[in-house]
Formats: sequence, structure tokens, C-alpha cells
Amino acid sequence: AQSVSQHNHHVILSEAASLELGCNYSYGGTVNLFWYVQYPGQHLQLLLKYFSGDPLVKGIKGFEAEFIKSKFSFNLRKPSVQWSDTAEYFCAADTGTASKLTFGTGTRLQVTL
Amino acid sequence: DGGITQSPKYLFRKEGQNVTLSCEQNLNHDAMYWYRQDPGQGLRLIYYSQIVNDFQKGDIAEGYSVSREKKESFPLTVTSAQKNPTAFYLCASSPLTGAYTGELFFGEGSRLTVL
Repeated sequence: AQSVSQHNHHVILSEAASLELGCNYSYGGTVNLFWYVQYPGQHLQLLLKYFSGDPLVKGIKGFEAEFIKSKFSFNLRKPSVQWSDTAEYFCAADTGTASKLTFGTGTRLQVTL
Repeated sequence: DGGITQSPKYLFRKEGQNVTLSCEQNLNHDAMYWYRQDPGQGLRLIYYSQIVNDFQKGDIAEGYSVSREKKESFPLTVTSAQKNPTAFYLCASSPLTGAYTGELFFGEGSRLTVL
């Protein structure tokens, strides 16, 4: 079965620290990959996505993610986090149909001042 | 403003009662979805609809029902058959015309608590 795994459930960082959130998927064939973010009290929104091409994709607010096919991974990174990055982050994957989008369990990021 | 409106934001229900959550969108999207969000379990798909008067079960449809009588509306009923209904419910939509973007647009959610 298709699945998405996020092994970091809760991450606490100080401002200016670097961030890397893990995401692994188990899909056969072509896969589209996404990171969504849910800020406190706000709706879930797309952070970035990978369909094909350059495996390093850049999203909003300085986030980037790297697709490593051999490792079935799509880790999210940010060189220097800010307090405003406190949120829950979800990795997701599909095979070209939104109705088949599978989400990971989410990682709660807490950034302290 | 274009977007998805969910109501109510908070809802309390007694055991054995059905409750209906509203979801309205003015994005002119063809597809609409209902997800359930539980701590540590991420988002799980309950139902989705790609066209008016048609909908499909997702991964956890048992104990839920939906209707799609209008393109802009996709209400979810949590029935008394749902064994563990206390959760955060998210409605989303996406376009089906044009190039596939994969992006879902979400509402702010409805938190249901069963007493």
C-alpha cells in the first residue's frame, strides 16, 4: 500500500537554527510530492511541491526540499528558522490524482526565541 | 475573497446524535474533499466528489455520509454509527480542468467534540 512516513513527530528548535524534517514514501512508479504547512489557527496551505525535473525545489518563506529517488525521501529544509515558522508540517504524495493524495502523520515544529 | 468556508468552527454533540458540517467554496473548483485530522495520525480521506451528484468513499468512510447537490457545497454528516467522531474535520477543494497542479485548498476546519 502507498504510504508516507514522517519520523519526527515533535521538533523544538531555537531561532536561527537549521531545520530538516524527514519524509519517506513508499510508492511504485511516478510520484508527486508535497509539503503542506498548518500555522496555528490558520488553514492548511501548500509550502512546496515536486513533480519532476530539478530534485531541489524551493517554496515559500525560504523553505526547500530535496527529492532523493534512491532513498524514497523528500526532506524539508530551512537554513535558519524563525519563531513564525512554528507550525505543523505535513508531507504528502500522490500519483497524479488528488483523490489519491496520502498524507504523513505530521511534524509539529516549535521554534523558541 | 475566494476560498473555502467551513461551519461551524466548533461543535459539541451528544452520543447518538447525527451532526452535519457545512463546506462551501467559491473557487469554482470541481473536486471537493473531506478529511479527518487526529493527533499523530495526519489527515485521512473520508469522502471526495469530482462532480455534482457523484461522490466516492475515501479510506475511512464508515459512519459518515455526504451529498453534492451543488458544485459549491459538500456537506458532511457524522452519523451515530461513527464510533469515534471526536476529531478535527477539514474540507478541501481542487480544480480538475487545466494542467494538474496537485494543490488542495483547505478550509479552516471544524472541531467536533462528542460528549
